[in-house]
Amino acid sequence: DAGITQSPRYKITETGRQVTLMCHQTWSHSYMFWYRQDLGHGLRLIYYSAAADITDKGEVPDGYVVSRSKTENFPLTLESATRSQTSVYFCASSRITGELFFGEGSRLTVL
Amino acid sequence: AQSVTQLGSHVSVSEGALVLLRCNYSSSVPPYLFWYVQYPNQGLQLLLKYTTGATLVKGINGFEAEFKKSETSFHLTKPSAHMSDAAEYFCAVSDPYNNNDMRFGAGTRLTVKP
Repeated sequence: DAGITQSPRYKITETGRQVTLMCHQTWSHSYMFWYRQDLGHGLRLIYYSAAADITDKGEVPDGYVVSRSKTENFPLTLESATRSQTSVYFCASSRITGELFFGEGSRLTVL
Repeated sequence: AQSVTQLGSHVSVSEGALVLLRCNYSSSVPPYLFWYVQYPNQGLQLLLKYTTGATLVKGINGFEAEFKKSETSFHLTKPSAHMSDAAEYFCAVSDPYNNNDMRFGAGTRLTVKP
């Protein structure tokens, strides 16, 4: 019962580098989401996907790219990392009832 | 669009005391409401949810919440706090007709004193 797996759990990178955070789910949920968690802001939606090959922007999409070629995978790419993208990133999936199931998070530090 | 306000970023209670975490929402449609809990270095997990029907919702670990439409509130309570309840709690609201639009509050950190 793996659920949602995120990797890496911890990542340190430098400004300007490309970083990809991976997300894999075993439930075959249609919807998948990427959130970032910052102190005082709660969770903010970056991108979501309603199904394979269908993605759309959330509240804070700038500087991020997503893809979803397979239902179970939803990688998040920072094409040129900036210090403001230092955060904890959570992948989540949902079924039709709307409740979200979260991964354990990926803590990204951009130096 | 929906929004959530959690009153109090930090709440401290003694072990055995009542836990009350406040959440007010704004929504243009009848909302779905959720409480999630986050333990250190972990993802969020669902405590309870309100969709339709009974307005008093019971969740895991003895928590419950009441949907009050007239007050646009969904406060989380537990009669007797336990040390293991110390965590961050998030209230969230979503549009039942728009599965991609869940909005979270800023969170309330609960501390339980022995």
